[in-house]
Parts: sequence; structure tokens; C-alpha cells
Amino acid sequence: GAVVSQHPSRVICKSGTSVKIECRSLDFQATTMFWYRQFPKQSLMLMATSNEGSKATYEQGVEKDKFLINHASLTLSTLTVTSAHPEDSSFYICSARRGLAGGPATQYFGPGTRLLVL
Amino acid sequence: ILNVEQSPQSLHVQEGDSTNFTCSFPSSNFYALHWYRWETAKSPEALFVMTLNGDEKKKGRISATLNTKEGYSYLYIKGSQPEDSATYLCAFLGRSGGGADGLTFGKGTHLIIQP
Repeated sequence: GAVVSQHPSRVICKSGTSVKIECRSLDFQATTMFWYRQFPKQSLMLMATSNEGSKATYEQGVEKDKFLINHASLTLSTLTVTSAHPEDSSFYICSARRGLAGGPATQYFGPGTRLLVL
Repeated sequence: ILNVEQSPQSLHVQEGDSTNFTCSFPSSNFYALHWYRWETAKSPEALFVMTLNGDEKKKGRISATLNTKEGYSYLYIKGSQPEDSATYLCAFLGRSGGGADGLTFGKGTHLIIQP
């Protein structure tokens, strides 16, 4: 159990276009999902926390108007990179928190999305 | 900015040998430490969630210890096998969000098991 899927796995787009990435918890309900990104040779960095039915909380330095997050159901969160530019090229990965509210519950990760903006 | 450090950055080990590596993290505001195993093109696999000082957890040939007072955790692999080749990530969870916050990751230890 505790499988998280993420689509697409890889996307190449032109500068100025928008890209949507989906994150789904397949066999459990996740009230909280997280979005991370990883630049080459760097660690996974938290971008935002997404709670079902409410607005996402963004980390400092992450533009909320550029990275739109929607968590419309207990099993789906989406990240839309709007007006993508080459500097947005990165590896984006989501996780879903499984467990009771509060407590150090395990976060289960999707396989990630490699975004390349030309 | 939280600082989570992992060492070594990479490690080559002969099949059958045992190995260990380190994660250091802030000793204040500690809530939990997560360990993940990440193979290329796959999802990071959750290994352990550790919360108590002195805690030791085991999963098959992999075990981990935790020292929250000095801010470090060790991951041990006994009798390494080629399938253990992966990047091992540790991640710190602070207390301020009641455990519901996102994780702060180290850069990982890239382990290669040589047959």
C-alpha cells in the first residue's frame, strides 16, 4: 500500500507555456500533500504544502502566482507552472502524508517529473 | 535555514561488506527524522521514521540509530548486496508545525555496491 503516482514523468515545453503536473495517492487519502523540487546536485527543497480544500502554503521565495497548486480532493493535487521559463527547468516531486493529523507520519513520494523549458 | 548534512556524499562498497553513513541535523526543535532509499527513476522508498532519542529501528539488513541531543543519525547496511545500490536520503521534521510540515532533506549518500 501507500502508492503515489505522478504524471507526466517528463515534459519538454516552450518558454511562456504552462505545464500541469498531477500527483495522486492511489490507495489512501491524503489531507496534506507536498511539492518539492530539486536542482542538479542539490537536495530536495520544499516548495509548498497543499491541504485539501484550502489554499496552499508556499515556502519563502516560491512565487504562488507562478506555481499554482490545487488540492481538490483527498487523492489529487496538481501543480501548474505558469508561463514557464528556462530557469524553471528542474525535477519536481510530490509527496502525500499518510497518517492522523499531527504526528510524524510518513510521507510517500511520487516518482517525480523532469521539466525542461526551452 | 535548517542545515541537514549527509556524509559521505558517495560510497563504493564491495558486495558482502557492511557499511554505514551519517545524517546530522539541528538538535533543537526536533520532531522526527525520516530515512528514504531512492533508486533512479523510482519513487523514494520510506525506510524509517524516528522520533525518540536512542531509538534504533531495523528493516531486514538495514538499521538506523538516532541521537537527538547531539543531532545525528546513522544508517547501517549489513552484508551489502547489489540491490542496495541507491541514494539514501535523510530528512528532518521540525516540531513547530506539529509534525504536519514538509521535510528538510540532506543531499543524500549515493551508495554503489560492487559485485
